[in-house]
Amino acid sequence: QKEVEQNSGPLSVPEGAIASLNCTYSDRGSQSFFWYRQYSGKSPELIMSIYSNGDKEDGRFTAQLNKASQYVSLLIRDSQPSDSATYLCAVWDGTASKLTFGTGTRLQVTL
Amino acid sequence: EPEVTQTPSHQVTQMGQEVILRCVPISNHLYFYWYRQILGQKVEFLVSFYNNEISEKSEIFDDQFSVERPDGSNFTLKIRSTKLEDSAMYFCASSEFGRLGRDNEQFFGPGTRLTVL
Repeated sequence: QKEVEQNSGPLSVPEGAIASLNCTYSDRGSQSFFWYRQYSGKSPELIMSIYSNGDKEDGRFTAQLNKASQYVSLLIRDSQPSDSATYLCAVWDGTASKLTFGTGTRLQVTL
Repeated sequence: EPEVTQTPSHQVTQMGQEVILRCVPISNHLYFYWYRQILGQKVEFLVSFYNNEISEKSEIFDDQFSVERPDGSNFTLKIRSTKLEDSAMYFCASSEFGRLGRDNEQFFGPGTRLTVL
């Protein structure tokens, strides 16, 4: 059973701080990694994808991938109250046409 | 910006009834998916579809479920005889590339909330 693990939170950070969200996965053959944001009652919204070891930056978001440690993270700089949501880590293993999701980490950005 | 659309947004049905959930994927995408999310739980894969056939399906996707692309734009999920435990949000997703593509970002529709009474 391929697993994606996330701390459910809530992770509470003050406005303007850096939020750090982490994810580990069990399948070493995994090739593609995604971060989705999900507001309560809404659908997952893709915010970042990463395929190679290292960092990938997009605006206030940075995704980090370490395949040797089977670890993916998402950094959100200058956190805003509108960033308060559940962040889902998703992994695509390349052998099956599907994403495996973690349970998500709930982020709360406080004023 | 192109987006995945789904109808209806909310479907209420009686146990044992058939329901059809509809999706219009992004127009140039070739790979289509259904996921579900039971309230408070993780997003779970149901089925993937490419070139008019199922590519992959999960254990959840049993004989009560079927998918179809009836025309060039719609993608449907049918549940033949609904059970109480089928109550969930059902999300349709599409991607330009699938198994053979690395850049296989999946974009989700807004979902259909299915309530089985």
